[in-house]
Amino acid sequence: GAVVSQHPSRVICKSGTSVKIECRSLDFQATTMFWYRQFPKQSLMLMATSNEGSKATYEQGVEKDKFLINHASLTLSTLTVTSAHPEDSSFYICSAIAGLAVKNEQFFGPGTRLTVL
Amino acid sequence: AQTVTQSQPEMSVQEAETVTLSCTYDTSESDYYLFWYKQPPSRQMILVIRQEAYKQQNATENRFSVNFQKAAKSFSLKISDSQLGDAAMYFCAYRSAYYGGSQGNLIFGKGTKLSVKP
Repeated sequence: GAVVSQHPSRVICKSGTSVKIECRSLDFQATTMFWYRQFPKQSLMLMATSNEGSKATYEQGVEKDKFLINHASLTLSTLTVTSAHPEDSSFYICSAIAGLAVKNEQFFGPGTRLTVL
Repeated sequence: AQTVTQSQPEMSVQEAETVTLSCTYDTSESDYYLFWYKQPPSRQMILVIRQEAYKQQNATENRFSVNFQKAAKSFSLKISDSQLGDAAMYFCAYRSAYYGGSQGNLIFGKGTKLSVKP
C-alpha cells in the first residue's frame, strides 16, 4: 500500500519556540493532505485540510496563525506550531489522498509526538 | 453536520472468540463512506474495512465483517476468531461522498479499546 512518512516522530521543545513537522507521501502524489490532532485516550480531531498549491482550510477553533500549514509540493506538507506552549503538547497525525479526495483511501502517517516544556 | 458515536469505550474478548463493536452515525447525506480503523499502541492508523453506503452488501475482510444498516444508521464491526494482535483502539469513521464539501476528511467516533484475553 501507499506510504506516508512523518518527521520527526518525537520532538521536545521549550515553550515559546516553533516546531516544524513534515508529512511526505513516499510513493504517490498527494493532492490533498489532512492534519489531525489526538490527545491521550481521545479520538482524532481534524485541524486542517491542505491542497497542493493553495491555502489550507482550517477547522473552526483552530488558530491558523499558530498552526501554519504549507503544502508546497504534491509529496510534502508541513505543519509549523509557532510559539508552542504546553497546551500544544499532543500527537499530530497527517494523512494523504491521491487523486479525487472523496473517492480514494486516506493513508496515514505514523504520527509525531510533540511535548512542550 | 455529521456525527459518529461509539457507545462502548472498552470491550474485552477471549482469544478465538467473536466480538462486535458498535457504531452509529448521523447524516442527512445519502451517499457516503464508512470505515473502521485500528490504532495499536504504535499509534499508526490502519484501515480495517470500508463500506460504501450505496452498496447493500456488507463488507468483509477475512476475519472482519460489518453489519451495515443504512436506515438505522448503524455500522457495527464483527471480529471473528479474535487474536492477541487484534488488541487496539478501534475507530469508526464517516466520510462524505460529495466532492467540494468536506473534501474527503474523516469524521471519527471516540473509539473503543479492545482487549483480547489469552
